[in-house]
Amino acid sequence: DAGVIQSPRHEVTEMGQEVTLRCKPISGHNSLFWYRQTMMRGLELLIYFNNNVPIDDSGMPEDRFSAKMPNASFSTLKIQPSEPRDSAVYFCASTPEMENTEAFFGQGTRLTVV
Amino acid sequence: QQQVKQSPQSLIVQKGGISIINCAYENTAFDYFPWYQQFPGKGPALLIAIRPDVSEKKEGRFTISFNKSAKQFSLHIMDSQPGDSATYFCAARRMDSSYKLIFGSGTRLLVRP
Repeated sequence: DAGVIQSPRHEVTEMGQEVTLRCKPISGHNSLFWYRQTMMRGLELLIYFNNNVPIDDSGMPEDRFSAKMPNASFSTLKIQPSEPRDSAVYFCASTPEMENTEAFFGQGTRLTVV
Repeated sequence: QQQVKQSPQSLIVQKGGISIINCAYENTAFDYFPWYQQFPGKGPALLIAIRPDVSEKKEGRFTISFNKSAKQFSLHIMDSQPGDSATYFCAARRMDSSYKLIFGSGTRLLVRP
């Protein structure tokens, strides 16, 4: 298995532009998590899905952020409009089921908003 | 109550020494405590984990010590090697209705040859 696949690996965009980050979880995994990592705030959980349904989005910083999981093999995190303070590494992680204890992380997308 | 406090922020250890990283939590509903290891440019990966019904768990050179009454747990890396140089995150998770994995702030470990 290739593991959790995220794209792009790096994204540089101008302030005000829309940014879409993509994630393909491990096949068979039913739960998917989006995290944001910054030096100041560490690893923050933004949102997680179980069986493609959003369970908790309380970590989404504001309305500019949205996430979807249209099917079991694909999720997107969208920022519109993007701001410089959104610059961070965004990780996607998946687990076989919510109760499962190990989260498998992708390699992350490094987002820079200039 | 959702926080997990981790210390130190950074740690330098000589090869062969013992690395110790500490974490503390407040929420007694947490009942699963993993440690994740992250190398530069990579996502975090599970290293070792413990549940509060045991006080210690050892896997090779890595040991978790857990103090339920003090609500503290720590990671010990014995015979630290340069290849252990990475960022380590403690975390806590509720295994009831909420499955959020809450991370500590991370410890950057450097093991000098």
